Amino acid sequence: AQSVTQLDSQVPVFEEAPVELRCNYSSSVSVYLFWYVQYPNQGLQLLLKYLSGSTLVKGINGFEAEFNKSQTSFHLRKPSVHISDTAEYFCAVSSSGAGSYQLTFGKGTKLSVIP
Amino acid sequence: DGGITQSPKYLFRKEGQNVTLSCEQNLNHDAMYWYRQDPGQGLRLIYYSQIVNDFQKGDIAEGYSVSREKKESFPLTVTSAQKNPTAFYLCASSTRVGNTGELFFGEGSRLTVL
Repeated sequence: AQSVTQLDSQVPVFEEAPVELRCNYSSSVSVYLFWYVQYPNQGLQLLLKYLSGSTLVKGINGFEAEFNKSQTSFHLRKPSVHISDTAEYFCAVSSSGAGSYQLTFGKGTKLSVIP
Repeated sequence: DGGITQSPKYLFRKEGQNVTLSCEQNLNHDAMYWYRQDPGQGLRLIYYSQIVNDFQKGDIAEGYSVSREKKESFPLTVTSAQKNPTAFYLCASSTRVGNTGELFFGEGSRLTVL
């Protein structure tokens, strides 16, 4: 079984400050990792994904995440946030089970950017 | 442009009425999914379908039903047996070839039961 823990349910941060949204996962097999963003009353949009290769993954809107296998983490970072980054962010993991990959989501982190 | 279309965006219904939410995709994806989202609870899987004419229950299937008669369409019916149907519903799809688990989402449907 796989699971995802997003350690912070809400993160307030001032505009132009850096931010880190934390994500830890558990899985007994190798995994693929994803971050999605959801703006109010909209669907989820893929920010970035780790499939293989470099552990530092760059995504859209200036976000990046680092896969750390030993710590089973996939934290999301941005060096300078903008008001438009206010949204909910979901970390997700998939792994091979019963021959197919199924995504498991964390409960989400609400990022509030303060002007 | 390819994508997933959910309708209606907002829906109000009286208690005890069945409601059907539409989901159509033109991504040529084999697999389709329905999730329910409630504040602070993340996304919970209701039903999924990996091929036409076949579907499986997810974690919270009670009170819901689906059909998959066409590859492009995966409608969800919220029945009167669902005890707390007010929620945001998300439809998603994924490819089976080279599947990594990545999902593509629609814009969602917000159901409010009065």
